[in-house]
Amino acid sequence: KQEVTQIPAALSVPEGENLVLNCSFTDSAIYNLQWFRQDPGKGLTSLLLIQSSQREQTSGRLNASLDKSSGRSTLYIAASQPGDSATYLCAVPSGGSYIPTFGRGTSLIVHP
Amino acid sequence: DAGVIQSPRHEVTEMGQEVTLRCKPISGHNSLFWYRQTMMRGLELLIYFNNNVPIDDSGMPEDRFSAKMPNASFSTLKIQPSEPRDSAVYFCASSPYDGRMNTEAFFGQGTRLTVV
Repeated sequence: KQEVTQIPAALSVPEGENLVLNCSFTDSAIYNLQWFRQDPGKGLTSLLLIQSSQREQTSGRLNASLDKSSGRSTLYIAASQPGDSATYLCAVPSGGSYIPTFGRGTSLIVHP
Repeated sequence: DAGVIQSPRHEVTEMGQEVTLRCKPISGHNSLFWYRQTMMRGLELLIYFNNNVPIDDSGMPEDRFSAKMPNASFSTLKIQPSEPRDSAVYFCASSPYDGRMNTEAFFGQGTRLTVV
């Protein structure tokens, strides 16, 4: 059974900082990994999908990397803004499946 | 496409009542998932369907919970009878799984259920 851990659980930073959010998983036989954003009281918005054959994926100020062998992924947020404040969730399928298993998320606050 | 559509957005009901949550997946997606989110346990998979067929319902907490997908554009999650501990946000998600594993899941806005 896949277990997903996200560190840190919470983060509060001033605007402009570059951030690294971490995700680790126990079963490395995965096909992809997905990062989501969740605003309070809202649904999940897909940010990035990294396929197993990729090492990283970029979208704007976001960059996600994947190291399958070590069971780790990082989400890098450049030049953080108050609008980035949200919970960031990592989702990893169990080996051999495509069903996402979620970590508990990192709650991010970026203050002006 | 309008994305995954869930209804209602909010539901408040009394203990013992039947609750039905609804989901319309993205057109063309053949996989559908129901998740439950609570502060204590985070996001948990309840059940998923592929081509309208339930594949794994091992996450359904009790027999009080049931889910159906009568066609490719509609699914329901029913709780009967409801209990206060069922209070949570229920999410539906869909994915265009086509036999390759590199597929992306898309989530609805969720239904916030409160059982009093």
